[in-house]
Amino acid sequence: GAVVSQHPSRVICKSGTSVKIECRSLDFQATTMFWYRQFPKKSLMLMATSNEGSKATYEQGVEKDKFLINHASLTLSTLTVTSAHPEDSSFYICSARTDGARGHGELFFGEGSRLTVL
Amino acid sequence: SQQGEEDPQALSIQEGENATMNCSYKTSINNLQWYRQNSGRGLVHLILIRSNEREKHSGRLRVTLDTSKKSSSLLITASRAADTASYFCASPIHGGSRLTFGEGTQLTVNP
Repeated sequence: GAVVSQHPSRVICKSGTSVKIECRSLDFQATTMFWYRQFPKKSLMLMATSNEGSKATYEQGVEKDKFLINHASLTLSTLTVTSAHPEDSSFYICSARTDGARGHGELFFGEGSRLTVL
Repeated sequence: SQQGEEDPQALSIQEGENATMNCSYKTSINNLQWYRQNSGRGLVHLILIRSNEREKHSGRLRVTLDTSKKSSSLLITASRAADTASYFCASPIHGGSRLTFGEGTQLTVNP
């Protein structure tokens, strides 16, 4: 099946620094990707929709200046957590939808990136 | 906002037993999906059931959908220790590709 790769899988940073997480579709093109956030033992919360060649669409309550999303190519979306603080520590998961019809609403998820802000 | 609610939140069974997880949702859907997540990992798509379907099978998985009750269930038969994971239901927001997830059920299958 289709593969979505996230990098890094784990990152630890100091407060105030910025961290970039990459999401790549390895064997298919993805005009649209999604970023989710997951707290321990909790569900996934949709943060934003990443659109290739245009601005991301953020969900209500998600700070666009805090979570910068760039979708510069058909296989890569990046999420940058700017000026990270401990409350930004979380598990970030991306998903990508194949451009062609491959099932009704089926998505492929990355393995997630665990961010720890000290 | 997340609209799915799942129960139980946690389920512990013995290998060989069946596991049933339930999901309820609030708004109309055109399909409902179930995903599996191993601890600290990404999500794996298990099965999708459309709003005009009532039951669907895939291997040891059986999913039902009752649109009148806005609920779905996932049954895993003859469970194995390797089935230990969190299971989430998800439905498209406004029928698109953005998904809203349920709270999940943590399944533990004891060998």
